[in-house]
Amino acid sequence: DIQMTQSPSSLSASVGDRVTITCRASQRISSYLNWYQQKPGKAPKLLIYAASSLQSGVPSRFSGSGSGTDFTLTVSSLQPEDLATYYCQQSYSNPYTFGQGTKLEIK
Amino acid sequence: QVQLQESGPGLVKPSQTLSLTCTVSGGSISSGDYYWSWIRQPPGKGLEWIGYIYSSGSTYYNPSLKSRITISIDTSRDQFSLKLSSVTAADTAVYYCARDCNSIRGGHWFDPWGQGTLVTVSS
Repeated sequence: DIQMTQSPSSLSASVGDRVTITCRASQRISSYLNWYQQKPGKAPKLLIYAASSLQSGVPSRFSGSGSGTDFTLTVSSLQPEDLATYYCQQSYSNPYTFGQGTKLEIK
Repeated sequence: QVQLQESGPGLVKPSQTLSLTCTVSGGSISSGDYYWSWIRQPPGKGLEWIGYIYSSGSTYYNPSLKSRITISIDTSRDQFSLKLSSVTAADTAVYYCARDCNSIRGGHWFDPWGQGTLVTVSS
C-alpha cells in the first residue's frame, strides 16, 4: 500500500494568515492526489482533486499543487470557518489511502 | 444534486455481520461513469477506504478487509450495500458511503459523501 504522510499533524493560525499543509507519498503517484476538509461532526468534503483542480463551489482561497511524491494544500487567507481537519488521499493505486490528517485551529 | 444517505443498525454484536445500505437520490446510480465506495472512520481517528462497486456489479475491496467484505448494488432501487462479517470492537466506526468520481487524466476522488452512520460493535 502507498503510505501518505501529512505535516504538520496540527497547526494554529490567525485569521488572514497564509497556511500550507504538506502531503508526501511513499512512492510516486503522478497527480493522483486529492484534498478533503472535515469539519467537526461532519462528513469530509472534497476541496481539490487531481492535485490542483478546485472543486466547484470551493472558495478560491484554497489551492493545491505538486506532483510525484510531494504535494501542498494552501489557504491563502485563513477564515474562521476553515477550522477543520484536512486529509490528503491518493488514487494512483488500490487500495486508496489517506493521510493521517492535519488539524487546523484558529488562534 | 446527488445526495447519499446511509442506513442500518447502530449496534452490532461481536462475531456478527454488519450490514449497511446507501441510498442515492437526485440521480440514478447507473448514470454516468461512477463507482460507489464505502469509507470508514474509527472515533477520533483517520479515514480508511473499504471498497467500491461499479453499476455493472464489479467490485474492488481493500485487501486488509477483503476476506470479510461484500459490497452489492441494486440499480432498481438506486442503492448499494456493505456487509462486513465477523466484526470485532476494532470495526467500531462511522461508516460513510460516497460517489467515486474518476477521470482518465486524474484518478479517482470522492464526492459527494453521505452524512455517515456510527456503528458500534459491542455485546
